[in-house]
Amino acid sequence: GDSVTQMEGPVTLSEEAFLTINCTYTATGYPSLFWYVQYPGEGLQLLLKATKADDKGSNKGFEATYRKETTSFHLEKGSVQVSDSAVYFCALRNNAGNMLTFGGGTRLMVKP
Amino acid sequence: DADVTQTPRNRITKTGKRIMLECSQTKGHDRMYWYRQDPGLGLRLIYYSFDVKDINKGEISDGYSVSRQAQAKFSLSLESAIPNQTALYFCATTGTTNTGELFFGEGSRLTVL
Repeated sequence: GDSVTQMEGPVTLSEEAFLTINCTYTATGYPSLFWYVQYPGEGLQLLLKATKADDKGSNKGFEATYRKETTSFHLEKGSVQVSDSAVYFCALRNNAGNMLTFGGGTRLMVKP
Repeated sequence: DADVTQTPRNRITKTGKRIMLECSQTKGHDRMYWYRQDPGLGLRLIYYSFDVKDINKGEISDGYSVSRQAQAKFSLSLESAIPNQTALYFCATTGTTNTGELFFGEGSRLTVL
């Protein structure tokens, strides 16, 4: 079945540091890939997505590139802020189905 | 007001009690979902519904039931709560076109003693 693997957290960074959160997936066919963010006390919200190989999703300074050859969708940001502290979830939707499969989530803590 | 509203936001109950979590949405979406979130396990799908007459089990439906009372309302019940059902529960919705973007409620934290 489909699965998503994320690096375990927490990831602790200083403000303005470079962020990478790794995400790899296993799926049949050509899934769509997503990053969701969960701020403290809130539900998840879509951060960015990519629907085909080599697509780059971007939003709020974050970006991720759909790499089919490595089955990866790593999240990056060049300069994190304290307000980026949250839990980040990688997810996929297999085009054969209607469901999202989520990774385990990675907590990011950014210190001033 | 939130587009997806969950009640209660927090509930503490005892083993064996029946508990209902309610979800309502104002987005006009047909598809509604209940997820459970546990630390390190991400979100796992409990039940989903694509319209009022359509109810489907997810990967962890045992011990849970649902009711789709109307297009806008989808409730999750625990008939006899047990401690390992202590978790954060999320309701989510999406439209028929299903671009993959889910819209989540703020969550219901359930503690079973």
